[in-house]
Amino acid sequence: DAKTTQPPSMDCAEGRAANLPCNHSTISGNEYVYWYRQIHSQGPQYIIHGLKNNETNEMASLIITEDRKSSTLILPHATLRDTAVYYCIVPSGNTGKLIFGQGTTLQVKP
Amino acid sequence: NAGVTQTPKFRVLKTGQSMTLLCAQDMNHEYMYWYRQDPGMGLRLIHYSVGEGTTAKGEVPDGYNVSRLKKQNFLLGLESAAPSQTSVYFCAIGRYSGYTFGSGTRLTVV
Repeated sequence: DAKTTQPPSMDCAEGRAANLPCNHSTISGNEYVYWYRQIHSQGPQYIIHGLKNNETNEMASLIITEDRKSSTLILPHATLRDTAVYYCIVPSGNTGKLIFGQGTTLQVKP
Repeated sequence: NAGVTQTPKFRVLKTGQSMTLLCAQDMNHEYMYWYRQDPGMGLRLIHYSVGEGTTAKGEVPDGYNVSRLKKQNFLLGLESAAPSQTSVYFCAIGRYSGYTFGSGTRLTVV
């Protein structure tokens, strides 16, 4: 199972872009990178996922390096409601298990 | 969290009592998962299922049993509850197109 590493916490000013990094140096060629977030103690919420190309949806953009060893989640215009714990996860190839690390606690400040 | 329903939402048990948590889905996914989350920590996988009639152990399976008799339901059982099982329990479904989480069951064992 590919291990991911994220900074424990980050701050961002409201209205600015939040860039959350993730290292996944042991990822294999066919494994996707998923990003989830958890607000308070609610169930994790899906944000975005990708394999090798950059991805964008209504919530965020995902930039994956060419060697696929790291990625960055971008929230283009962070709001106070984006304050949450953000998890970068690489599911197990055989079973799809999601192994959660500690994630990054993003604090958006006014 | 449309598509994944967890019952009950809250429960208080006495040490030694038993109970079953139900995860029901209406999205016809093969893969279902049970996680627990303790304060300040990421989610940890308890058990999972890759299809009807199949179950497998995750990271922290001790003290729990599961069953997947019907494709749409994944049951998590505590035969003899212990205070260490006080936690928030999340069910998840999905695989290649993403994962959907339930809203959680808050269990307190006194």
